[in-house]
Amino acid sequence: GQQLNQSPQSMFIQEGEDVSMNCTSSSIFNTWLWYKQDPGEGPVLLIALYKAGELTSNGRLTAQFGITRKDSFLNISASIPSDVGIYFCAGQRVSGANNLFFGTGTRLTVIP
Amino acid sequence: KAGVTQTPRYLIKTRGQQVTLSCSPISGHRSVSWYQQTPGQGLQFLFEYFSETQRNKGNFPGRFSGRQFSNSRSEMNVSTLELGDSALYLCASSLGGLHQETQYFGPGTRLLVL
Repeated sequence: GQQLNQSPQSMFIQEGEDVSMNCTSSSIFNTWLWYKQDPGEGPVLLIALYKAGELTSNGRLTAQFGITRKDSFLNISASIPSDVGIYFCAGQRVSGANNLFFGTGTRLTVIP
Repeated sequence: KAGVTQTPRYLIKTRGQQVTLSCSPISGHRSVSWYQQTPGQGLQFLFEYFSETQRNKGNFPGRFSGRQFSNSRSEMNVSTLELGDSALYLCASSLGGLHQETQYFGPGTRLLVL
């Protein structure tokens, strides 16, 4: 199945640093979502973006829906140890199909 | 409000067997989607059920099937299991509209095929 190109694949950062990851696709999406997954658990929704150009924040997280509708980025400011996990972007295409296309994931390690 | 629940959480089967996994959506949600997650292929969409009907289907063989009951609970079945079916199977629920719906995931069922 199609996957979105997500980078970087992994990151090792010091506690307190800012983090940035992004997702690109050759296809247009109507919705971009960012999820975090902890080991052995399902993905948990962090931020949902519904409009091209939209910039949305959720606490220390900020995400943007690219103007071309083919990309999105997620920033985490002032990282803390509990930010550790795998972050996935997901895109949803036009109305009429509820399936999500997922990025390959960014594994984040925060060093205290 | 309770989240999406999946049972069982862990399962071990042998090749050739069949397996049934269960998913209970968030109360009021009528759409249930199933995804397979493996290290090699990542998260891939299997199918979606809404109002007891399959509304959307991914690119998986016919060995993978599902159904939805009138209370929106869903089951997925995998017949003639293969080693490559070992994966985390996730279900996600949403209200059921087709425009900008947010999907909420359950904790998954980890299936190991020996």
